[in-house]
Amino acid sequence: LAKTTQPISMDSYEGQEVNITCSHNNIATNDYITWYQQFPSQGPRFIIQGYKTKVTNEVASLFIPADRKSSTLSLPRVSLSDTAVYYCLVVQGSSNTGKLIFGQGTTLQVKP
Amino acid sequence: SQTIHQWPATLVQPVGSPLSLECTVEGTSNPNLYWYRQAAGRGLQLLFYSVGIGQISSEVPQNLSASRPQDRQFILSSKKLLLSDSGFYLCAWSVSGSPIYEQYFGPGTRLTVT
Repeated sequence: LAKTTQPISMDSYEGQEVNITCSHNNIATNDYITWYQQFPSQGPRFIIQGYKTKVTNEVASLFIPADRKSSTLSLPRVSLSDTAVYYCLVVQGSSNTGKLIFGQGTTLQVKP
Repeated sequence: SQTIHQWPATLVQPVGSPLSLECTVEGTSNPNLYWYRQAAGRGLQLLFYSVGIGQISSEVPQNLSASRPQDRQFILSSKKLLLSDSGFYLCAWSVSGSPIYEQYFGPGTRLTVT
C-alpha cells in the first residue's frame, strides 16, 4: 500500500474553506484515495472517495491531479463542529478485504 | 438499517487478567469485520480482520487474538493483559466486495489495564 503524508495539524476559523493536502507518491494504478473524519472518543466516519479529477458530495470535495501523487480534501465554510482528525488513506482497488490502514491524520482545529 | 454493537463500553482490568470484547452487526449478511486499537493520542491500528466465519487475519503480532464464531459476531480476546493493551478498541464492518471503501464503526470499548 502506498504511504501517505499529511500535515500533523491545521488551524482555521469558522466560515473559512479548509484544504488538507495528502501526498501519496507511490500510489498504484488500481488504488483509490479515501478520506475519513474522526471526532474524539468515536470511530472514524467515511467522508469521500475518489480515483481521479474531482469528486464532490454534501460534505466535502476531493481534488486529485492527473498524476494522482497527491490529493486535496476541501471542506467549505467550516464550523466549530468540523474540529476533528482527518485521515487520508490509499486503498487497493483489487482488495476483497476492504482493509484500511490509518496513519496519524491531520488534526483540524476550527476557532470561532 | 444496519447497526453495530460493542460491549462493554468501558472496562478496567488488572495486568495478567483475561479479556473478551464482543462486537455484533445487525441488518447485513457476510460483512467484512475489523478490530482496531487506538492508544491515547495515537492513530488507529488495525489488529485483525475477517472476511468470513472462522477466517481471521492478524495485522500485528501481539498477545491478542480474534474469533468469528458467527457471521455477524467478532470477538477480541486475550489470555493475559499487559499494560500496553490499554486503549480504545473499535470494531468495524464493511460490505464484502464493495467498490466503496467505507467502514462503519461501533461505539468502541475503552480499556484501562492497571
